[in-house]
Amino acid sequence: DAGVIQSPRHEVTEMGQEVTLRCKPISGHNSLFWYRQTMMRGLELLIYFNNNVPIDDSGMPEDRFSAKMPNASFSTLKIQPSEPRDSAVYFCASSYAGVLNQETQYFGPGTRLLVL
Amino acid sequence: AQKVTQAQTEISVVEKEDVTLDCVYETRDTTYYLFWYKQPPSGELVFLIRRNSFDEQNEISGRYSWNFQKSTSSFNFTITASQVVDSAVYFCALSEQNTGNQFYFGTGTSLTVIP
Repeated sequence: DAGVIQSPRHEVTEMGQEVTLRCKPISGHNSLFWYRQTMMRGLELLIYFNNNVPIDDSGMPEDRFSAKMPNASFSTLKIQPSEPRDSAVYFCASSYAGVLNQETQYFGPGTRLLVL
Repeated sequence: AQKVTQAQTEISVVEKEDVTLDCVYETRDTTYYLFWYKQPPSGELVFLIRRNSFDEQNEISGRYSWNFQKSTSSFNFTITASQVVDSAVYFCALSEQNTGNQFYFGTGTSLTVIP
């Protein structure tokens, strides 16, 4: 079975440019999470969706960041305009969340973003 | 307040030594879940184990074992006879039933196994 798929795997862009990161969750999973990992701040939850609906976006750094999940098999994280401090590894994860159970989150390989 | 504390930032051991990675959590929920993930130098996050709060039985998987103790709010991870391939950053995480699907990750412990 395919795991979580993220694209691109690497992105180098210049400050001010728009960046779009993409994620395809594991089929059948109903929760999707976007994380950012840096040396300074570790692993941070940016936003998560349940059944395509954003549940908690309190981790989104500022208005330059936006995320969408138009359907159960696709999500995007957009940064516009990008800044050098956005350089990080961005992970997407998915899980199946039942009424009572907290299921395991499975992570994609990550997108390494470098903003020059 | 940090819900998951991994006090050991970095650990170095010589190959074949045993090593224990500590994880202390904080929650008021009676139903919660604990996880360990491995992040090797290649960068991906690999799921290792999931434990629910009602199952305090320790688990062993090959050279890996986990000690869950509710009395001390700890979920420690031991690698027996460590190998170079065990070199990675290990993350402990907590999920609470009453706070939805969100995971609370610790800051990770970087393990280096020296040949």
